[in-house]
Amino acid sequence: DTGVSQNPRHKITKRGQNVTFRCDPISEHNRLYWYRQTLGQGPEFLTYFQNEAQLEKSRLLSDRFSAERPKGSFSTLEIQRTEQGDSAMYLCASSRGTKNIQYFGAGTRLSVL
Amino acid sequence: GENVEQHPSTLSVQEGDSAVIKCTYSDSASNYFPWYKQELGKRPQLIIDIRSNVGEKKDQRIAVTLNKTAKHFSLHITETQPEDSAVYFCAASSGGSNYKLTFGKGTLLTVNP
Repeated sequence: DTGVSQNPRHKITKRGQNVTFRCDPISEHNRLYWYRQTLGQGPEFLTYFQNEAQLEKSRLLSDRFSAERPKGSFSTLEIQRTEQGDSAMYLCASSRGTKNIQYFGAGTRLSVL
Repeated sequence: GENVEQHPSTLSVQEGDSAVIKCTYSDSASNYFPWYKQELGKRPQLIIDIRSNVGEKKDQRIAVTLNKTAKHFSLHITETQPEDSAVYFCAASSGGSNYKLTFGKGTLLTVNP
């Protein structure tokens, strides 16, 4: 499968724990995006990388959230001291070139108990 | 920032009928408008997109129209089939150095056999 890959698919954690998600973009895609989707809503932008540089972060991304893309390939999204309000589907997308066609992964569903 | 409104939130049609979903956007700098289909528990999949230099684009049973003056765009599905049942999201992007997508809240389309 050469699409966007996300792991794990599901994560259940207790409030206050830290969690980390991984996204592997489509090969040679230089842009990588993180979105959050809650039930009945469209995806909301969190942050995006061009190669290894994090170029924009949403105000939704509190200081408990951090994302990295160390070598311009895969990316990780870490949430520290999780809260019940963090429960959502975390989607990753990638694109390349100027056309901005974004391809999405299947997401990581986070449940904070 | 950009704001995208999508209507209706639910749409039920009989197989073979047409379905129309409408979106409005607020940022006149937006120039790229994709539509995604998301089946339950699956990733959003791009079905069609349009850029601000054209007014209409068609791909088999699916078409999208764009009115830049009024800042609205619409998805048209003709000859609907039960497998068209899903949630459809519109989105807008202003391009330039900002590639993030701003999504509408989605339309649950149900095609009844």
